[in-house]
Amino acid sequence: AQSVSQHNHHVILSEAASLELGCNYSYGGTVNLFWYVQYPGQHLQLLLKYFSGDPLVKGIKGFEAEFIKSKFSFNLRKPSVQWSDTAEYFCAVTARGNNRLAFGKGNQVVVIP
Amino acid sequence: GAVVSQHPSRVICKSGTSVKIECRSLDFQATTMFWYRQFPKKSLMLMATSNEGSKATYEQGVEKDKFLINHASLTLSTLTVTSAHPEDSSFYICSARNVVRSTDTQYFGPGTRLTVL
Repeated sequence: AQSVSQHNHHVILSEAASLELGCNYSYGGTVNLFWYVQYPGQHLQLLLKYFSGDPLVKGIKGFEAEFIKSKFSFNLRKPSVQWSDTAEYFCAVTARGNNRLAFGKGNQVVVIP
Repeated sequence: GAVVSQHPSRVICKSGTSVKIECRSLDFQATTMFWYRQFPKKSLMLMATSNEGSKATYEQGVEKDKFLINHASLTLSTLTVTSAHPEDSSFYICSARNVVRSTDTQYFGPGTRLTVL
Protein backbone atom coordinates (compact mmCIF):
# COMPACT_ATOMS: atom_id res chain seq x y z
CA ALA A 1 0.00 0.00 0.00
CA GLN A 2 1.16 3.50 -0.69
CA SER A 3 2.09 5.90 2.11
CA VAL A 4 2.78 9.62 2.20
CA SER A 5 5.04 11.67 4.41
CA GLN A 6 4.95 15.40 4.93
CA HIS A 7 7.55 17.13 7.06
CA ASN A 8 7.51 20.32 9.12
CA HIS A 9 3.95 20.04 10.29
CA HIS A 10 3.84 23.67 11.42
CA VAL A 11 5.11 26.42 9.15
CA ILE A 12 4.97 30.10 10.05
CA LEU A 13 6.03 32.74 7.59
CA SER A 14 5.44 36.35 6.67
CA GLU A 15 3.50 37.66 3.72
CA ALA A 16 5.47 37.76 0.47
CA ALA A 17 7.77 34.99 1.66
CA SER A 18 8.17 31.90 -0.50
CA LEU A 19 6.63 28.62 0.57
CA GLU A 20 7.73 25.10 -0.17
CA LEU A 21 6.10 22.05 1.38
CA GLY A 22 7.68 18.67 0.94
CA CYS A 23 5.80 15.52 0.09
CA ASN A 24 7.34 12.10 -0.36
CA TYR A 25 5.51 8.92 -1.10
CA SER A 26 6.42 5.29 -0.99
CA TYR A 27 5.07 3.15 -3.79
CA GLY A 28 6.94 1.47 -6.55
CA GLY A 29 4.37 1.75 -9.30
CA THR A 30 2.64 4.51 -11.19
CA VAL A 31 0.86 7.06 -9.03
CA ASN A 32 -1.54 9.95 -9.23
CA LEU A 33 -0.61 12.84 -6.95
CA PHE A 34 -2.70 15.53 -5.32
CA TRP A 35 -2.45 18.52 -3.06
CA TYR A 36 -5.53 19.51 -1.11
CA VAL A 37 -5.99 22.62 1.01
CA GLN A 38 -8.27 23.09 3.99
CA TYR A 39 -8.87 26.71 4.95
CA PRO A 40 -10.01 27.39 8.53
CA GLY A 41 -13.57 26.22 8.96
CA GLN A 42 -13.84 25.00 5.40
CA HIS A 43 -13.73 21.68 3.64
CA LEU A 44 -10.90 20.12 1.70
CA GLN A 45 -10.43 21.65 -1.72
CA LEU A 46 -8.32 20.38 -4.57
CA LEU A 47 -5.32 22.63 -5.14
CA LEU A 48 -3.69 20.74 -7.97
CA LYS A 49 -3.09 17.24 -9.29
CA TYR A 50 -0.66 15.29 -11.41
CA PHE A 51 -1.58 12.31 -13.55
CA SER A 52 0.87 12.38 -16.42
CA GLY A 53 2.70 14.71 -18.77
CA ASP A 54 4.58 17.81 -17.67
CA PRO A 55 5.88 17.10 -14.16
CA LEU A 56 5.51 20.76 -13.23
CA VAL A 57 1.87 21.28 -12.42
CA LYS A 58 0.23 24.64 -11.91
CA GLY A 59 -2.79 24.87 -9.67
CA ILE A 60 -5.11 27.49 -8.33
CA LYS A 61 -4.11 30.60 -6.37
CA GLY A 62 -0.57 30.67 -7.72
CA PHE A 63 0.49 27.27 -6.37
CA GLU A 64 2.56 24.80 -8.32
CA ALA A 65 4.03 21.40 -7.62
CA GLU A 66 6.78 19.39 -9.23
CA PHE A 67 6.76 15.63 -9.57
CA ILE A 68 10.26 14.18 -9.35
CA LYS A 69 9.90 10.49 -9.98
CA SER A 70 13.45 9.60 -8.98
CA LYS A 71 12.93 11.19 -5.59
CA PHE A 72 9.36 9.97 -5.10
CA SER A 73 8.48 13.57 -4.35
CA PHE A 74 5.72 16.03 -5.19
CA ASN A 75 6.66 19.26 -3.45
CA LEU A 76 4.29 22.20 -3.37
CA ARG A 77 5.51 25.75 -3.92
CA LYS A 78 4.26 29.29 -3.99
CA PRO A 79 6.72 32.13 -4.65
CA SER A 80 4.93 34.78 -2.59
CA VAL A 81 2.34 33.87 0.02
CA GLN A 82 -0.54 35.96 1.24
CA TRP A 83 -2.31 36.04 4.57
CA SER A 84 -5.22 34.23 2.91
CA ASP A 85 -2.97 31.22 2.30
CA THR A 86 -3.19 30.36 5.99
CA ALA A 87 -4.54 26.83 5.89
CA GLU A 88 -3.70 23.18 6.26
CA TYR A 89 -2.20 21.52 3.21
CA PHE A 90 -2.44 17.81 2.54
CA CYS A 91 -0.53 15.77 0.02
CA ALA A 92 -2.29 12.63 -1.21
CA VAL A 93 -1.48 9.74 -3.50
CA THR A 94 -3.38 7.02 -5.29
CA ALA A 95 -1.80 4.09 -7.02
CA ARG A 96 -2.78 4.00 -10.68
CA GLY A 97 -5.83 1.77 -10.97
CA ASN A 98 -6.61 2.01 -7.25
CA ASN A 99 -8.82 4.93 -6.25
CA ARG A 100 -8.04 4.82 -2.54
CA LEU A 101 -6.33 8.03 -1.48
CA ALA A 102 -3.48 7.88 1.00
CA PHE A 103 -3.00 11.20 2.81
CA GLY A 104 -0.02 12.72 4.48
CA LYS A 105 -0.42 14.19 7.95
CA GLY A 106 -0.68 17.70 6.61
CA ASN A 107 1.19 20.98 6.98
CA GLN A 108 -0.34 23.71 9.08
CA VAL A 109 0.72 26.95 7.40
CA VAL A 110 0.26 30.29 9.12
CA VAL A 111 1.01 33.46 7.18
CA ILE A 112 1.57 36.53 9.29
CA PRO A 113 0.43 39.81 7.72
CA GLY B 1 -18.60 21.85 -10.81
CA ALA B 2 -17.77 18.84 -8.62
CA VAL B 3 -19.64 19.96 -5.52
CA VAL B 4 -20.21 17.57 -2.66
CA SER B 5 -22.51 18.31 0.24
CA GLN B 6 -22.94 16.68 3.63
CA HIS B 7 -25.81 16.82 6.05
CA PRO B 8 -25.91 17.54 8.88
CA SER B 9 -22.86 19.71 9.44
CA ARG B 10 -23.01 19.17 13.19
CA VAL B 11 -24.82 16.67 15.34
CA ILE B 12 -24.88 16.04 19.06
CA CYS B 13 -26.41 12.83 20.29
CA LYS B 14 -26.69 10.72 23.39
CA SER B 15 -24.65 7.61 23.87
CA GLY B 16 -26.42 4.56 22.48
CA THR B 17 -28.34 6.34 19.75
CA SER B 18 -27.73 6.08 16.01
CA VAL B 19 -26.82 8.94 13.73
CA LYS B 20 -27.15 9.10 9.96
CA ILE B 21 -24.92 11.32 7.84
CA GLU B 22 -25.71 12.01 4.19
CA CYS B 23 -23.23 12.70 1.43
CA ARG B 24 -24.43 13.99 -1.92
CA SER B 25 -22.67 14.78 -5.16
CA LEU B 26 -24.61 17.77 -6.44
CA ASP B 27 -23.49 18.16 -10.02
CA PHE B 28 -22.04 14.83 -11.04
CA GLN B 29 -22.74 11.16 -10.65
CA ALA B 30 -20.44 9.23 -8.38
CA THR B 31 -20.32 5.47 -8.57
CA THR B 32 -17.79 5.56 -5.76
CA MET B 33 -17.81 7.60 -2.59
CA PHE B 34 -15.49 7.42 0.37
CA TRP B 35 -15.90 7.99 4.07
CA TYR B 36 -13.09 9.35 6.24
CA ARG B 37 -12.54 10.30 9.86
CA GLN B 38 -10.35 13.25 10.65
CA PHE B 39 -8.83 13.41 14.10
CA PRO B 40 -7.53 16.65 15.61
CA LYS B 41 -4.06 17.49 14.33
CA LYS B 42 -4.00 14.30 12.30
CA SER B 43 -4.64 13.30 8.79
CA LEU B 44 -7.71 11.79 7.24
CA MET B 45 -8.24 8.13 7.88
CA LEU B 46 -10.13 6.22 5.22
CA MET B 47 -12.92 4.23 6.79
CA ALA B 48 -14.63 2.67 3.81
CA THR B 49 -15.27 2.82 0.10
CA SER B 50 -18.91 3.08 -0.83
CA ASN B 51 -19.91 1.56 -4.15
CA GLU B 52 -23.26 2.34 -5.74
CA GLY B 53 -25.49 -0.69 -5.79
CA SER B 54 -23.13 -2.97 -3.89
CA LYS B 55 -21.65 -3.50 -0.48
CA ALA B 56 -19.13 -1.09 0.93
CA THR B 57 -15.52 -2.07 1.34
CA TYR B 58 -14.22 -1.38 4.83
CA GLU B 59 -10.65 -0.65 5.85
CA GLN B 60 -8.94 -2.86 8.34
CA GLY B 61 -10.04 -2.12 11.88
CA VAL B 62 -13.30 -0.41 10.92
CA GLU B 63 -16.37 -2.21 12.24
CA LYS B 64 -18.85 -2.63 9.41
CA ASP B 65 -21.72 -3.36 11.79
CA LYS B 66 -21.08 -0.13 13.63
CA PHE B 67 -20.57 2.10 10.61
CA LEU B 68 -23.31 1.18 8.16
CA ILE B 69 -22.90 2.51 4.66
CA ASN B 70 -25.57 2.64 2.00
CA HIS B 71 -24.99 3.94 -1.51
CA ALA B 72 -28.44 3.68 -2.98
CA SER B 73 -28.05 6.07 -5.88
CA LEU B 74 -25.35 7.66 -8.00
CA THR B 75 -25.55 10.88 -6.01
CA LEU B 76 -26.15 9.75 -2.43
CA SER B 77 -24.25 7.74 0.14
CA THR B 78 -25.16 7.54 3.80
CA LEU B 79 -23.10 6.63 6.84
CA THR B 80 -24.98 5.51 9.93
CA VAL B 81 -23.08 5.37 13.20
CA THR B 82 -24.99 2.81 15.19
CA SER B 83 -25.13 2.78 18.99
CA ALA B 84 -22.79 5.72 19.14
CA HIS B 85 -20.37 6.11 22.03
CA PRO B 86 -18.23 9.07 23.08
CA GLU B 87 -15.18 7.56 21.37
CA ASP B 88 -17.07 7.85 18.07
CA SER B 89 -17.01 11.63 18.42
CA SER B 90 -15.07 12.87 15.45
CA PHE B 91 -15.17 14.78 12.21
CA TYR B 92 -16.54 12.61 9.43
CA ILE B 93 -15.83 13.60 5.85
CA CYS B 94 -17.07 12.08 2.64
CA SER B 95 -15.69 12.37 -0.83
CA ALA B 96 -17.08 11.50 -4.21
CA ARG B 97 -15.05 10.20 -7.08
CA ASN B 98 -15.41 12.03 -10.35
CA VAL B 99 -13.90 10.41 -13.40
CA VAL B 100 -13.71 12.94 -16.21
CA ARG B 101 -11.50 12.74 -19.23
CA SER B 102 -9.31 10.02 -17.73
CA THR B 103 -8.49 12.06 -14.63
CA ASP B 104 -9.77 10.44 -11.49
CA THR B 105 -10.25 12.90 -8.65
CA GLN B 106 -12.00 12.88 -5.31
CA TYR B 107 -14.00 15.91 -4.26
CA PHE B 108 -14.71 16.38 -0.61
CA GLY B 109 -17.75 17.36 1.37
CA PRO B 110 -17.60 19.93 4.16
CA GLY B 111 -17.64 17.31 6.89
CA THR B 112 -19.91 16.46 9.80
CA ARG B 113 -18.87 17.11 13.37
CA LEU B 114 -20.31 14.34 15.56
CA THR B 115 -20.33 14.74 19.32
CA VAL B 116 -21.58 11.85 21.41
CA LEU B 117 -22.42 12.70 25.00
